[in-house]
Amino acid sequence: KQEVTQIPAALSVPEGENLVLNCSFTDSAIYNLQWFRQDPGKGLTSLLLIQSSQREQTSGRLNASLDKSSGRSTLYIAASQPGDSATYLCAVIGLTGGFKTIFGAGTRLFVKA
Amino acid sequence: GAGVSQSPRYKVAKRGQDVALRCDPISGHVSLFWYQQALGQGPEFLTYFQNEAQLDKSGLPSDRFFAERPEGSVSTLKIQRTQQEDSAVYLCASSLGGGRQGWGETQYFGPGTRLLVL
Repeated sequence: KQEVTQIPAALSVPEGENLVLNCSFTDSAIYNLQWFRQDPGKGLTSLLLIQSSQREQTSGRLNASLDKSSGRSTLYIAASQPGDSATYLCAVIGLTGGFKTIFGAGTRLFVKA
Repeated sequence: GAGVSQSPRYKVAKRGQDVALRCDPISGHVSLFWYQQALGQGPEFLTYFQNEAQLDKSGLPSDRFFAERPEGSVSTLKIQRTQQEDSAVYLCASSLGGGRQGWGETQYFGPGTRLLVL
C-alpha cells in the first residue's frame, strides 16, 4: 500500500530564506507526483506536476525534483515571501491500486515578514 | 464557470440525517474526483468518475456514501445516516482528460464543503 510522508510537518522561516520541503513515498511504481498548495479554508492549487519519466519541474521561484528509485521528492522555494505561507501537499498517483491519488499530510509553512 | 464550485460551503447536520453535497466541475472536464479531508490531514480519495461512469469507488468508507454524476457534468456526493466521524471537508476536483490521461493530469480543486455532524 502506497504511503506518502512529508517532513517537516511545520516550518517557520524569515522572509527571504530559501527552503526545502521533503516528500517520501513507499512504492516507486508511480505515474506522477504533484505538489499542491492549500490556503486555510480553501481548496488545493496545483503548483507543479512531475511525470514519472521526469527528474524535475520548475515554475518561477519553485523547483520540484523527483527521485523515483529512492522514493523521494523535494520542493525548493527560493527567496520565500510572506505570501508563500500555506500548507504544501505532495501527492502521488500509483501504477497500481486503481490510480488513486495518495496525499501526504502536508507541511505547514509560515514565512515571517 | 472559471473553476470548480461546490455547494454548500458549510453544512451542519444532526447525527442520522442525510446530506447531499454538490460539485460543479470545470466545463468540459471529463474526470471528476471526490476526496475527504480530515483536520490536519491530506485529502483521502473517495471516488472517481470518467464522464458519467463511476470507475473507482474503492475509497468510499461505507455503504452510507453514494456518489453520482448522471449527465457527466455535475456530481453529487450523498451521505446517508450521517455519523460524527463523517465530519470533514469534502473536496471535489476535475481534470480535462479521461482514463489514464485524466488521472495523470493536473487536478483543479473546488473550495470544499465543510461538514459538521453533531
